[in-house]
Amino acid sequence: AQSVSQHNHHVILSEAASLELGCNYSYGGTVNLFWYVQYPGQHLQLLLKYFSGDPLVKGIKGFEAEFIKSKFSFNLRKPSVQWSDTAEYFCAVNDGGATNKLIFGTGTLLAVQP
Amino acid sequence: GAGVSQSPRYKVAKRGQDVALRCDPISGHVSLFWYQQALGQGPEFLTYFQNEAQLDKSGLPSDRFFAERPEGSVSTLKIQRTQQEDSAVYLCASSLLGAGAIREKLFFGSGTQLSVL
Repeated sequence: AQSVSQHNHHVILSEAASLELGCNYSYGGTVNLFWYVQYPGQHLQLLLKYFSGDPLVKGIKGFEAEFIKSKFSFNLRKPSVQWSDTAEYFCAVNDGGATNKLIFGTGTLLAVQP
Repeated sequence: GAGVSQSPRYKVAKRGQDVALRCDPISGHVSLFWYQQALGQGPEFLTYFQNEAQLDKSGLPSDRFFAERPEGSVSTLKIQRTQQEDSAVYLCASSLLGAGAIREKLFFGSGTQLSVL
């Protein structure tokens, strides 16, 4: 069965620092990968997604992620974080089955200090 | 409405009570998912509807959990004889097309936080 691992549970950064959140998945077939974000008090929303093509994908608010097939990784990056990036970040993969349900990681709570 | 609406926002139940959680997906959306998010965990799949048909209920943790979407729009997740381990946030999500459209964007509601005492 597919699974997703997020290595960092809590990350604390100062504004303008660079961000990289790790995500590894266990599935050998074709995968569709996602990063979702949940700002305090808000619903989950899509940051970016990878289906095929260029392994470097760009999302909203300056975020990007790189799909490295050989490492089964899909790490999220942002060159310079802002206080407003404080949120919980979830990596997810489609299960590849008939319903295309998402398998989520446990999430990384990012706190950006002003 | 403009987004996926869930009610109630918070629900406190005594152990053994039955609860019903409601999801109003975006109008016209074919697909509807229910997820359970325990504290400190990511969302975990419970069940999937394509219109009124429940195509996947493999994630329902026990026969105390039941979901329906009788007219292919509003969905209700019912939990009978609630237990403390049922305490979690229950998320609903919808997308425009059916499950075969893997590139469809998924829209999440804000969830119902269930606390079982």
